[in-house]
Amino acid sequence: KNQVEQSPQSLIILEGKNCTLQCNYTVSPFSNLRWYKQDTGRGPVSLTIMTFSENTKSNGRYTATLDADTKQSSLHITASQLSDSASYICVVTTSGTYKYIFGTGTRLKVLA
Amino acid sequence: DAGITQSPRHKVTETGTPVTLRCHQTENHRYMYWYRQDPGHGLRLIHYSYGVKDTDKGEVSDGYSVSRSKTEDFLLTLESATSSQTSVYFCAISDLDFTEAFFGQGTRLTVV
Repeated sequence: KNQVEQSPQSLIILEGKNCTLQCNYTVSPFSNLRWYKQDTGRGPVSLTIMTFSENTKSNGRYTATLDADTKQSSLHITASQLSDSASYICVVTTSGTYKYIFGTGTRLKVLA
Repeated sequence: DAGITQSPRHKVTETGTPVTLRCHQTENHRYMYWYRQDPGHGLRLIHYSYGVKDTDKGEVSDGYSVSRSKTEDFLLTLESATSSQTSVYFCAISDLDFTEAFFGQGTRLTVV
């Protein structure tokens, strides 16, 4: 069964600290993996997208890594800001299809 | 945000009444999707469309129907709303290569 699992479910950090969110997937055949940020009351917004051949992708303070062999991805947030408080969702797509498989997300709270 | 508008943004309705949610896009993307988001679950696909008048079921389609008479509009109808359909509904769009999915702002539906 195609699944995407994220950890931790929730995380609280102090402003300025770094954090890493994890995503494990069992999706086959794999096409690409995205990380989305979802602010409370809003739709998800894409942060990064990686294909099979890419193992790292950055978007400002956000850096995503992908290990296609172990089927794991991580999202590293550097020097966190209050505005980083949101849910972060890992999404994996199967090759050549519409099927986006969503993780349940990690809820991050950044405290001043 | 990509050119996606969902309406209404909030709705409270009574059990047994029909409800229609609208998704309008200005991106001319071929694929449109309706998802629901509930606590403890990743976004779950209700229905999707791959062209005008071309639709298909997702994983949680029972109790829902859709229609797409124009490229830009995708309607989700709850024929007879039930309390289990209380949720936040998201519309998404993507183009043929599935490299990116853009989400609307969501509709919070409460069935009382």
